Amino acid sequence: EAQVTQNPRYLITVTGKKLTVTCSQNMNHEYMSWYRQDPGLGLRQIYYSMNVEVTDKGDVPEGYKVSRKEKRNFPLILESPSPNQTSLYFCASSLRGAVREQYFGPGTRLTVT
Amino acid sequence: SQQGEEDPQALSIQEGENATMNCSYKTSINNLQWYRQNSGRGLVHLILIRSNEREKHSGRLRVTLDTSKKSSSLLITASRAADTASYFCATDKAGNTPLVFGKGTRLSVIA
Repeated sequence: EAQVTQNPRYLITVTGKKLTVTCSQNMNHEYMSWYRQDPGLGLRQIYYSMNVEVTDKGDVPEGYKVSRKEKRNFPLILESPSPNQTSLYFCASSLRGAVREQYFGPGTRLTVT
Repeated sequence: SQQGEEDPQALSIQEGENATMNCSYKTSINNLQWYRQNSGRGLVHLILIRSNEREKHSGRLRVTLDTSKKSSSLLITASRAADTASYFCATDKAGNTPLVFGKGTRLSVIA
């Protein structure tokens, strides 16, 4: 089944404790991206990747890192999480960039205390 | 950089009625897409309309695009309770630019 998977789905952590949210897609998509969704603010893009070893900042990249060493994986790293990073995070992929249909993962609900 | 703005923010209708949601954007676009999100879940792609298209249909969905007014509308005909969800428009510009989402319209269809 074609899908985007994210892990973990739920995470409660403390300020400053490094964490990684994994994202994997099995559709051989070139383009992958991370969004955060907050009430009243909609979806905002954090980082995106046009292909392996190519990443670019989105609208809200501060406090996040990403890497794209393999085509299928695009992990999101929070080196020192803070409470303002409490949010619902989505990974998405598409065959080729923003011009094509995006496939979204199920989301990761992160709480930083 | 919010590009699309949906209107209304929330809409409540009876089952069987039609639902219309609007999206306005600020700058020239390449494509406009509509997505649906059930509460707390990932977004699901509904339809993509290119800047040189004016109307597109998919099942009970009808999307229009007016580039002169920088606006799009999503019409869901004969709505069902299962259509209850948030609906988002998303736009992209030519070149390797990111997809930018609006804040969404929350649709409630009452059985």
